[in-house]
Amino acid sequence: DQQVKQNSPSLSVQEGRISILNCDYTNSMFDYFLWYKKYPAEGPTFLISISSIKDKNEDGRFTVFLNKSAKHLSLHIVPSQPGDSAVYFCAAKGYNAGNMLTFGGGTRLMVKP
Amino acid sequence: DSGVTQTPKHLITATGQRVTLRCSPRSGDLSVYWYQQSLDQGLQFLIQYYNGEERAKGNILERFSAQQFPDLHSELNLSSLELGDSALYFCASSAAPSSYNEQFFGPGTRLTVL
Repeated sequence: DQQVKQNSPSLSVQEGRISILNCDYTNSMFDYFLWYKKYPAEGPTFLISISSIKDKNEDGRFTVFLNKSAKHLSLHIVPSQPGDSAVYFCAAKGYNAGNMLTFGGGTRLMVKP
Repeated sequence: DSGVTQTPKHLITATGQRVTLRCSPRSGDLSVYWYQQSLDQGLQFLIQYYNGEERAKGNILERFSAQQFPDLHSELNLSSLELGDSALYFCASSAAPSSYNEQFFGPGTRLTVL
């Protein structure tokens, strides 16, 4: 049973446009959400996070939105750059699960020049 | 560079064999996590150690075991290997095991079981 799902395995966007990556979760015990970025032959790198008490968190070109009622979060990248091309993983933590991360399957983003 | 090191980078072995993957956490980090990423799938949490003691267990098979040593490095032991164990194995570390400490990931060990 996948508790965190990223339904789009891939996304292609033109440079300068907005990239929107989506993530859905089923476990209502999750209270903290993170996005990781992964380049080939490297480990995932933390990008941005959001607590369940917020509905938006912004860091430069990256914004994460959380809709708790829909159990949905999204990552917006504006403007997209070719260097953003990578696999993006959504992850979640439960308040009673220590620091254990539950990951989605990832979305491969390709930003075309 | 996250500061987390993993060795070896690649490992090719046969079914039924036993292998050991090694992880050195970032300097000062006391907590170590192991994750498995099978082909085209997300990372699955296996096990967490904090300062030498097991802290949390995820979907780790009984054929797999791990430990964290006094110098804080960790080893993941995989035995009686099967074809389905072929995957990327990531180690991550954090300063403490609490919920909001960011985890820093190593580059992974790619295990191929033939």
